[in-house]
Amino acid sequence: NAGVTQTPKFRILKIGQSMTLQCTQDMNHNYMYWYRQDPGMGLKLIYYSVGAGITDKGEVPNGYNVSRSTTEDFPLRLELAAPSQTSVYFCASSLAGASYEQYFGPGTRLTVT
Amino acid sequence: DAKTTQPPSMDCAEGRAANLPCNHSTISGNEYVYWYRQIHSQGPQYIIHGLKNNETNEMASLIITEDRKSSTLILPHATLRDTAVYYCIVRAPYGGATNKLIFGTGTLLAVQP
Repeated sequence: NAGVTQTPKFRILKIGQSMTLQCTQDMNHNYMYWYRQDPGMGLKLIYYSVGAGITDKGEVPNGYNVSRSTTEDFPLRLELAAPSQTSVYFCASSLAGASYEQYFGPGTRLTVT
Repeated sequence: DAKTTQPPSMDCAEGRAANLPCNHSTISGNEYVYWYRQIHSQGPQYIIHGLKNNETNEMASLIITEDRKSSTLILPHATLRDTAVYYCIVRAPYGGATNKLIFGTGTLLAVQP
């Protein structure tokens, strides 16, 4: 199993541009998550999904959109990028329930200038 | 989810046991204690979790006090590769939004040669 994969690894955007961060998992997990991590801080939840066709906001959803058309994929869309969105973005997946651990991808480092 | 308190940093000599404390005095009876770690520039990695009883796996041991207000993660023989930020997280057992992980700033464990 590849686990959770994310593309791209790095990206530089200009203010106002848009992009999609890709996330794919091959573990047949129902739950998927997007987190962001600012320098020296812990991770904050942006959006999550409990299954295909179902998504919901986390702590910091503003400026982002998600979709979940398949179990495997959970892309994160940034519209009108702003410098405040400069961060490292992590995708994660898990089985349902708190007794199951989350598996994280390697992250996408995004800089908005 | 209950809040956790961890020391910001700790040192440990290579080959010795690393004992990382976590205070979670407001934990509810049905909340799990999770430990994750994040090696520099990588996604967080699950280590271990527990509810009431002490737990051990191939990576670490988790000791939870009888009143469940604190816990200790033990790495029995720390290596240089264990240098990372360690996060203690308390989490409710339900799905959906409460399945999210709330990351604090964790403990930076520096293993010294």
